[in-house]
Amino acid sequence: NAGVTQTPKFRVLKTGQSMTLLCAQDMNHEYMYWYRQDPGMGLRLIHYSVGEGTTAKGEVPDGYNVSRLKKQNFLLGLESAAPSQTSVYFCASSYSAADTQYFGPGTRLTVL
Amino acid sequence: RKEVEQDPGPFNVPEGATVAFNCTYSNSASQSFFWYRQDCRKEPKLLMSVYSSGNEDGRFTAQLNRASQYISLLIRDSKLSDSATYLCVVNIYTGGFKTIFGAGTRLFVKA
Repeated sequence: NAGVTQTPKFRVLKTGQSMTLLCAQDMNHEYMYWYRQDPGMGLRLIHYSVGEGTTAKGEVPDGYNVSRLKKQNFLLGLESAAPSQTSVYFCASSYSAADTQYFGPGTRLTVL
Repeated sequence: RKEVEQDPGPFNVPEGATVAFNCTYSNSASQSFFWYRQDCRKEPKLLMSVYSSGNEDGRFTAQLNRASQYISLLIRDSKLSDSATYLCVVNIYTGGFKTIFGAGTRLFVKA
């Protein structure tokens, strides 16, 4: 099992450009999450999904969109990147809301 | 007040030392608790769940105090490989579950 994978691992964008981060899990988990992690701050939830075809806003959703067309994939989109979105983005999945979350290796995004 | 608070450290300890981390949470609806470990430039990984009766896994002991709303992690006989950031994680039930991550406590174990 690969667990949770994320692509790309690194990306540099210019302000205003768009991109999509891909997360895939092979554990048949219902729940998937996108977080961002900034220095000195805990992981902050951007969006999450409780099953195929569903998405919901987390703590910091502005400037991001998500889609969960297939159970195993969760996509995070930035339509018009801003320097404030420079961060490390982690995807995670879990069997249920109360269970352990398993994380992907992260995507380091820099917006110039 | 943050929902989950940890001492950011860093804690600098020699090999073989015993070190303890505390984490406080503010929401009494908190249901389940975890400690995660995060190595530099890596993803968080589950270290251990925290049960009401306390639990131990080798050199690691986790305890929960619901009355005072804190959890703790004790590491005995510290190894160089224990150097990492330790994240306190709380699941809160408010109609649905919400997971809150602490900002983490950095530990450096020196030879």
